Amino acid sequence: GAGVSQTPSNKVTEKGKYVELRCDPISGHTALYWYRQSLGQGPEFLIYFQGTGAADDSGLPNDRFFAVRPEGSVSTLKIQRTERGDSAVYLCASSSRPNQPQHFGDGTRLSIL
Amino acid sequence: DQQVKQNSPSLSVQEGRISILNCDYTNSMFDYFLWYKKYPAEGPTFLISISSIKDKNEDGRFTVFLNKSAKHLSLHIVPSQPGDSAVYFCAASAEAGKSTFGDGTTLTVKP
Repeated sequence: GAGVSQTPSNKVTEKGKYVELRCDPISGHTALYWYRQSLGQGPEFLIYFQGTGAADDSGLPNDRFFAVRPEGSVSTLKIQRTERGDSAVYLCASSSRPNQPQHFGDGTRLSIL
Repeated sequence: DQQVKQNSPSLSVQEGRISILNCDYTNSMFDYFLWYKKYPAEGPTFLISISSIKDKNEDGRFTVFLNKSAKHLSLHIVPSQPGDSAVYFCAASAEAGKSTFGDGTTLTVKP
């Protein structure tokens, strides 16, 4: 389809493991965003890319979280030494340019056992 | 400190009537506001937006009102339909890119 694609849709792993979550934005969208959503809450901003560079990473909770977008298209969110508190739905969104409505993927549900 | 608040976790209305969803914000730097709709197991879908230079924006059955002095916005859905049943998120941005979301209001439209 032409929408934002996120893989995997579900990920279950053990505490302490490393995980990578992938986001494939809408073709031609230069802006890409990562959010995290916990049950009963709204999406919480993590990081925003404009092209290949991280324009705002103020929402990353700590240095265990890292994201890249090396070619300005696909992005990967990386979490090291996962903790149970990292369990959430991780949402990716893209827009044609900043301050335009964001198009969201269906998210990756991450469960840390 | 939550900068965007949706104080009603849920709202139930009868089909055909008006649904009014409310949102309050505290950051006076916010200049762009959006409403998203979310079904279970799906990502949020953009519904309607409004810039701070306007006080009303309308798109079909959906109208968003912005009261900057009160730091309040609302979404009106008229007439409500059962397919409108979903979680509605209010979001705001102060600069290009980053959006701050409320915790959502679950709307149930009864046939």
